[in-house]
Amino acid sequence: DVKVTQSSRYLVKRTGEKVFLECVQDMDHENMFWYRQDPGLGLRLIYFSYDVKMKEKGDIPEGYSVSREKKERFSLILESASTNQTSMYLCASSFRSGNNEQFFGPGTRLTVL
Amino acid sequence: EDKVVQSPLSLVVHEGDTVTLNCSYEVTNFRSLLWYKQEKKAPTFLFMLTSSGIEKKSGRLSSILDKKELFSILNITATQTGDSAVYLCAVAPRDTGNQFYFGTGTSLTVIP
Repeated sequence: DVKVTQSSRYLVKRTGEKVFLECVQDMDHENMFWYRQDPGLGLRLIYFSYDVKMKEKGDIPEGYSVSREKKERFSLILESASTNQTSMYLCASSFRSGNNEQFFGPGTRLTVL
Repeated sequence: EDKVVQSPLSLVVHEGDTVTLNCSYEVTNFRSLLWYKQEKKAPTFLFMLTSSGIEKKSGRLSSILDKKELFSILNITATQTGDSAVYLCAVAPRDTGNQFYFGTGTSLTVIP
């Protein structure tokens, strides 16, 4: 079974704090993705990575950065958290080539006060 | 601009009812359409559709794709309370490294 794990299920931070969200997958997937999910807006892609040290902006990268130093780990960084970044954050991974589903982690519900 | 639209946004039915969820898309260079079920946790994969007219089936769930009219439906027969979830539709274009475009989801509530 594919396992995608995220470091926290729930997180509460204060405005201006630096926040790290970690995602780890154990299936040797090339691709990894970070989404945020908000009511009425669905899943929106923040960043994705198709290889170690490679990253591509998604639809809403502003206020976020990412790091992929190892194939199995993809980190999302909020340099200075703001209240409008309160959301559910979902990590996913997949193989790069062919027609493949994405496998999702359980999500991190982040609240920024 | 590529987009994926799901309808209805939410639905409340009684156990035993049959429901049809809709997903329409406007995506350049279509490769595949996927359905996911999301309860209070990670979305879980249901179906991947790549060809028109071929029904995919798993128990009480089935789905079909129409590439000419650019939509897909997800049917659930004899609904149960365990079917209550958000159902997500995603479309994968070609040549994007397996990037997906997601719809906003349909929230299904099945009441006893």
